[in-house]
Amino acid sequence: GAVVSQHPSWVICKSGTSVKIECRSLDFQATTMFWYRQFPKQSLMLMATSNEGSKATYEQGVEKDKFLINHASLTLSTLTVTSAHPEDSSFYICSARDSGGGSYEQYFGPGTRLTVT
Amino acid sequence: QKEVEQNSGPLSVPEGAIASLNCTYSDRGSQSFFWYRQYSGKSPELIMSIYSNGDKEDGRFTAQLNKASQYVSLLIRDSQPSDSATYLCAVNGAGGFKTIFGAGTRLFVKA
Repeated sequence: GAVVSQHPSWVICKSGTSVKIECRSLDFQATTMFWYRQFPKQSLMLMATSNEGSKATYEQGVEKDKFLINHASLTLSTLTVTSAHPEDSSFYICSARDSGGGSYEQYFGPGTRLTVT
Repeated sequence: QKEVEQNSGPLSVPEGAIASLNCTYSDRGSQSFFWYRQYSGKSPELIMSIYSNGDKEDGRFTAQLNKASQYVSLLIRDSQPSDSATYLCAVNGAGGFKTIFGAGTRLFVKA
């Protein structure tokens, strides 16, 4: 149980284009999902917390107009990187909490590796 | 002071030995504590949760929590080369909602 999927697993795009990443909880409902970014050999950095049916909460320093988050259902959250630039190249990972689990355990998706050329 | 602190390592242990990973946290009201394992190039995987003082065992893994000392540890018995990874300590604060991750400890198990 507690499986989270992400799509795509990797993507290459040209500078200036937008990329959408999907995060799905496959066998549980997730009121809350989280989006992280991780650069090589660095620690996880929380970008934003995504709540179903409401606006995402962004961490300080994360541009909400550049990283658009939508959490339209209890099993799906999307992150759109708008007008991507090479410095946005990174490993993007989502995680989800089981709404019915009563715990604060987070289950991570496999991640999406974004390369902007 | 960082909210969740871990020694970055690397921690190197021989195969079959006990690996001991440590973590301290600053929020005295924290209630939930987690250990995640992250292999290079992969996403984190939850391996242990602990909520009350004392030890919790799961196979070769034992999590230890001491809330008075604000300290949580992970012991890996009979370490295997496949245990070589970065281990992330995570803590939920008093409010419960936000999980704070440590920077992780890199573990190498030498065959």
